[in-house]
Amino acid sequence: DGGITQSPKYLFRKEGQNVTLSCEQNLNHDAMYWYRQDPGQGLRLIYYSQIVNDFQKGDIAEGYSVSREKKESFPLTVTSAQKNPTAFYLCASSHISANRGSNNSPLHFGNGTRLTVT
Amino acid sequence: AQTVTQSQPEMSVQEAETVTLSCTYDTSESDYYLFWYKQPPSRQMILVIRQEAYKQQNATENRFSVNFQKAAKSFSLKISDSQLGDAAMYFCAYRRNSGGYQKVTFGIGTKLQVIP
Repeated sequence: DGGITQSPKYLFRKEGQNVTLSCEQNLNHDAMYWYRQDPGQGLRLIYYSQIVNDFQKGDIAEGYSVSREKKESFPLTVTSAQKNPTAFYLCASSHISANRGSNNSPLHFGNGTRLTVT
Repeated sequence: AQTVTQSQPEMSVQEAETVTLSCTYDTSESDYYLFWYKQPPSRQMILVIRQEAYKQQNATENRFSVNFQKAAKSFSLKISDSQLGDAAMYFCAYRRNSGGYQKVTFGIGTKLQVIP
């Protein structure tokens, strides 16, 4: 079955350590996204990528880094510079097209990773 | 910059009744998509319904329908015959469709409670 896999489901780290969250998709989607979810704040965009070897900052990119070396993979690194890293992280992917009526697909989401930093 | 506003942090509805969740957005684009997503306690994000801005007809999916008012930049979700399984967080989202970078922006969500 096609889908998006995020791993691990739960992740614990000590303050000051970098940590990488994995996101893999086999939907052949061009675009991939990382969101952070905190209570009362909805989903906030961290980074997104529409093509291999290219990515764009979202609304809250500080303290995070990403890479897009393969179409299928979009790992997110939470660095020690991120002041409040404890959160629920969601990865998503979609087709992308500039054509009207092209059935531009909505986002397909993974099951998320809950990161706790102490 | 595009923004999405959901002004109802929490809503409740009696089982079998109808409820409407509000969403407004701000954009200077004319070609875009709007979505409603549901997030149950499992935290899995599930697409409920989508609307293409160039289509005047409101989208419907079974018990779910939208009231899309492009001039007012309003995109409300109506849930008819509410069921216990409809209890969840509901997020409104916006995506431009005119080329270039197409980031997807979400509102802060509305928590829907369904009362038996």
